[in-house]
Amino acid sequence: GQNIDQPTEMTATEGAIVQINCTYQTSGFNGLFWYQQHAGEAPTFLSYNVLDGLEEKGRFSSFLSRSKGYSYLLLKELQMKDSASYLCAVTGDYKLSFGAGTTVTVRA
Amino acid sequence: ETGVTQTPRHLVMGMTNKKSLKCEQHLGHNAMYWYKQSAKKPLELMFVYNFKEQTENNSVPSRFSPECPNSSHLFLHLHTLQPEDSALYLCASSQERNGYNEQFFGPGTRLTVL
Repeated sequence: GQNIDQPTEMTATEGAIVQINCTYQTSGFNGLFWYQQHAGEAPTFLSYNVLDGLEEKGRFSSFLSRSKGYSYLLLKELQMKDSASYLCAVTGDYKLSFGAGTTVTVRA
Repeated sequence: ETGVTQTPRHLVMGMTNKKSLKCEQHLGHNAMYWYKQSAKKPLELMFVYNFKEQTENNSVPSRFSPECPNSSHLFLHLHTLQPEDSALYLCASSQERNGYNEQFFGPGTRLTVL
């Protein structure tokens, strides 16, 4: 089975940096996704990590350590529009399993 | 716009009603999925279709019945639901059913069972 943990909520100030951690224990592992979901909207793809290391994409970066079962999503130069839920999802044995999501609130 | 549409966006139904949720993808994908999203809980995978064939049913009660007439359309037929079935139902699609392809989600149907 899959066990995926991430914090429930985080709050940060506009312009700041926030790091959302995700730890996982899985029966098989192919890769790890991060999705963003605004309230009332569909989850949208942010990143996909297969190999260890940091993947940078603009203001967002995602890190993976396969040996530690650990990933983080780093949001830099926070903007109000970044207020959303961030979902960590692990793919293994042809299944995509999601964490409960981390709700990030950006304050002015 | 993700290329995946769902109707209706909101649905209120009684426990004795029968209703259907519809999903359509315009991405040329071959795999489609139904998920249930309840407050503060992880997305729960319900059904998977790959090339129109159902490949997964995650112990979903029989009051939920999926139908996939072709690779672009997916339905979820609902009957005699319970109040605890109230949730956001999300449809997704991917190129194929594997662990590597990004899934594209629809906006969801917010279901309330009275």
